[in-house]
Amino acid sequence: GENVEQHPSTLSVQEGDSAVIKCTYSDSASNYFPWYKQELGKRPQLIIDIRSNVGEKKDQRIAVTLNKTAKHFSLHITETQPEDSAVYFCAASTSYGKLTFGQGTILTVHP
Amino acid sequence: NAGVTQTPKFQVLKTGQSMTLQCAQDMNHEYMSWYRQDPGMGLRLIHYSVGAGITDQGEVPNGYNVSRSTTEDFPLRLLSAAPSQTSVYFCASRLADTSYEQYFGPGTRLTVT
Repeated sequence: GENVEQHPSTLSVQEGDSAVIKCTYSDSASNYFPWYKQELGKRPQLIIDIRSNVGEKKDQRIAVTLNKTAKHFSLHITETQPEDSAVYFCAASTSYGKLTFGQGTILTVHP
Repeated sequence: NAGVTQTPKFQVLKTGQSMTLQCAQDMNHEYMSWYRQDPGMGLRLIHYSVGAGITDQGEVPNGYNVSRSTTEDFPLRLLSAAPSQTSVYFCASRLADTSYEQYFGPGTRLTVT
């Protein structure tokens, strides 16, 4: 089955800095790669996603890049703010809503 | 729309007890899934369904049963609860189209003593 590895497990940045989280996947058939933000005690919230036919997608301060050949994708957050502090998860999916998640990255943005 | 709803929000069980976690969605989504989230880990797929009457196993199905008699409901049954099933359980749903976006319920926090 699919295996998703996520790094780093923790990331600490100063407000205004950029943050980058990286994931690799194993199944070349995976074609959908969402990123979720989860605050303590809450459900995962989709923040951005990318399909396998696209190399990059941007939404304001958040961007995701995908390298299908290398089987890795990354989340980029620019101009970080304290409210960006949360746990971020990457995931990969082939079909039918079967998501395989990475282990998560605890992002802390210091004011 | 209420979206994806889950009940109960919290539950404490003794080892060996059985119970059903409820999940419902009012968005007419064909696909529904159950995930568990353990501390410090990502979500792991337990069971999923692609439509009424069709279910299949995910990554960690042992100790759980599901059924899908209607499009709206996808209950998760714990047959004989074990401490290893202490976790937060999330239900999710999505349309069977190319949008791919999953909608998560608020979760059920289960403790087995």
